[in-house]
Amino acid sequence: KNQVEQSPQSLIILEGKNCTLQCNYTVSPFSNLRWYKQDTGRGPVSLTIMTFSENTKSNGRYTATLDADTKQSSLHITASQLSDSASYICVVSDNTDKLIFGTGTRLQVFP
Amino acid sequence: GAVVSQHPSWVICKSGTSVKIECRSLDFQATTMFWYRQFPKQSLMLMATSNEGSKATYEQGVEKDKFLINHASLTLSTLTVTSAHPEDSSFYICSARISHHEQYFGPGTRLTVT
Repeated sequence: KNQVEQSPQSLIILEGKNCTLQCNYTVSPFSNLRWYKQDTGRGPVSLTIMTFSENTKSNGRYTATLDADTKQSSLHITASQLSDSASYICVVSDNTDKLIFGTGTRLQVFP
Repeated sequence: GAVVSQHPSWVICKSGTSVKIECRSLDFQATTMFWYRQFPKQSLMLMATSNEGSKATYEQGVEKDKFLINHASLTLSTLTVTSAHPEDSSFYICSARISHHEQYFGPGTRLTVT
């Protein structure tokens, strides 16, 4: 069964600190993996998208990694800001372009 | 980047009435749009795939007669929740596909049925 699991479920950090979110997937065949940021009451916004051949991609203070062999991905946030408080969703696409969503990690950044 | 809008952003309706939600791709044409539903603290659940000019494809367990989808143009898809009930209260999000790999999401519509 195609699944995407994320950890931790929730995370609290202080402003300025770094953090890493994890994503494990069992989707096959694999097409691409995306990380989205979803603010409360808003739609998801794309942070990164990686295909099979890419193992790292950055978008400002966000850096995503992908290990297609172990089927793991991580999202690293550097020098966190209060505005980083949101849910971060890992989404994996199979070769039909169907999106399989993780349950998300809820990040709270406190001053 | 590509922009997808939804209208309204929130709506409150009485049980038994119907509600229409619009999804528009503002600066690109989308042959395929998707409708999702999200309950509190849960992830997005795909309801249906909407293709311009043809019938929508519904996911298992989604009632097509209750959630009417129309994709009449390359920039507009509508979702109508018919005979709404309190259990239909949810956050409805659309997305539009711009390429093989990329989907852009709308800001969502909060539906509350009283």
